[in-house]
Amino acid sequence: GQQLNQSPQSMFIQEGEDVSMNCTSSSIFNTWLWYKQDPGEGPVLLIALYKAGELTSNGRLTAQFGTTRKDSFLNISASIPSDVGIYFCAGQPLAATNTDKLIFGTGTRLQVFP
Amino acid sequence: DTEVTQTPKHLVMGMTNKKSLKCEQHMGHRAMYWYKQKAKKPPELMFVYSYEKLSINESVPSRFSPECPNSSLLNLHLHALQPEDSALYLCASSLYRGGQPQHFGDGTRLSIL
Repeated sequence: GQQLNQSPQSMFIQEGEDVSMNCTSSSIFNTWLWYKQDPGEGPVLLIALYKAGELTSNGRLTAQFGTTRKDSFLNISASIPSDVGIYFCAGQPLAATNTDKLIFGTGTRLQVFP
Repeated sequence: DTEVTQTPKHLVMGMTNKKSLKCEQHMGHRAMYWYKQKAKKPPELMFVYSYEKLSINESVPSRFSPECPNSSLLNLHLHALQPEDSALYLCASSLYRGGQPQHFGDGTRLSIL
C-alpha cells in the first residue's frame, strides 16, 4: 500500500543530542500524527496536527504540520535513553475516498547511547 | 497506559487451529480497526468497523474473520492460517470513522507453526 517517505531511516545519537526527522508526501494531507513504538508494544500517539503551519509541543517533543500540507517534522530535544524506539509518522489524505485510512511512514529507528 | 486492551498478548497456533483475538475499548469510540504489522514495517490496515458494521475490508483472506459484537468489542477469528500470517496484530479505535487520532492497543504477537 501507499507509504509516506520518512527520513532518516535510522539514527544513532548520544544522550543529550537533539533529533530531527520528517515525512513527505506527493499528495495533500489534512492530518498528521506522530507515534512512537517500543518493541513488543503498540504505537503510542505522541502528537496530532490538524492545521497547516501548526506547531505543537509535548514535553521535549515538537512537531509541525508543513505549510504545503505535504510534509511534517518531529524534533526531540535533549534526548534520553528512553527515547529509543521506532517513530512513525502517519497522515490522513485530503481525498475523500481515503479519509478512513491512515497512511504510515516507513519509520525512523532511534538509538540513544549514554 | 493504553486505553485499547488486546488479549492475548501472545498466541502460538498450528495451521489447523481456530483461535480468536480480542480487543476492547471504553472510550466511546465508534470506529475500530484491525492492523497487521510485520517486523520493522509500519502497520497495514486490514478491517474497519464503523458503528459495529464492517465498512472496509482491505482484501484480507477469508481465513481472517472480524466480528464487532458491540461498540466496545472487536474480535478477529482465525482459522487455517499460514506461516506468513505470523505478525503483530494491532487493534485501534477512533471517535468515528475517518476521525483522528487513532489509538492503538499493544497488539497480539501471533506465531503460526
